[in-house]
Amino acid sequence: DAGVIQSPRHEVTEMGQEVTLRCKPISGHDYLFWYRQTMMRGLELLIYFNNNVPIDDSGMPEDRFSAKMPNASFSTLKIQPSEPRDSAVYFCASSLRLNRQGTEAFFGQGTRLTVV
Amino acid sequence: AQTVTQSQPEMSVQEAETVTLSCTYDTSENNYYLFWYKQPPSRQMILVIRQEAYKQQNATENRFSVNFQKAAKSFSLKISDSQLGDTAMYFCAFMKPNDYKLSFGAGTTVTVRA
Repeated sequence: DAGVIQSPRHEVTEMGQEVTLRCKPISGHDYLFWYRQTMMRGLELLIYFNNNVPIDDSGMPEDRFSAKMPNASFSTLKIQPSEPRDSAVYFCASSLRLNRQGTEAFFGQGTRLTVV
Repeated sequence: AQTVTQSQPEMSVQEAETVTLSCTYDTSENNYYLFWYKQPPSRQMILVIRQEAYKQQNATENRFSVNFQKAAKSFSLKISDSQLGDTAMYFCAFMKPNDYKLSFGAGTTVTVRA
C-alpha cells in the first residue's frame, strides 16, 4: 500500500479564498483523522471519522472549516474563507479499529498551507 | 481531555551515545495506549514505539526502548547508539482504547551530532 496520500503538499492562497485539502486513507482502514500542526498549538485533532461518519468534530476551530468523507477512500478538509491564521501543516491519518495488539495511526506527509 | 507533557524542548546527543526523552501524562483511565512518534525534517510522522498500559513489560524496538511507569504516569523514550538519521522532533502521544484520537505532547527536538 502507498500509505496515506495527501494533496497538495504545499498550498499558498490569498486571504478570503477557498482552500480544499484532500486525503486518501490506507485501504481497509476504518478511521480517518485530520490534525493541524502549528508552532503555537502543536498537533491538535480537528475531526475524525469512523466508517465515513464524523464522530468528533469538537476540534474544528470555526464554521469556516468543514470536512467530508463521501466514501471510504477519500476525504476533504475545506476552509472557506481562508485567513492568515489558518496557515499550518494539515495532516491526515488513518487507522484500523483497535484490537488487543493495539493500533497505530498512519500519517500522510501533510499539506503545508500558507494564507497570505 | 488528556494532557501530555514533554518538558524538554530540545536535546543534543553525540553520535553513538544514548539520549532519554521524558514524557508525563494525566489521565484517570486504567487502560490506554502510549506512543512515540518521530517527525524528521521531511515532515512525515513515523511511529517509533507503542505501549499498552495493561502490559507491564516495557516495549522495545531495536535501538528504541521505553521506561513505562504507570503509577507515576511517566513514559520516557531511550534512544541507544544514536545515529544521524535519528535527528528529528519526537512526540509523545496518548490514546484511550475506545476513543481513537491521539493527544500529543509539545515535542522534543533531538539533534544527533557527528
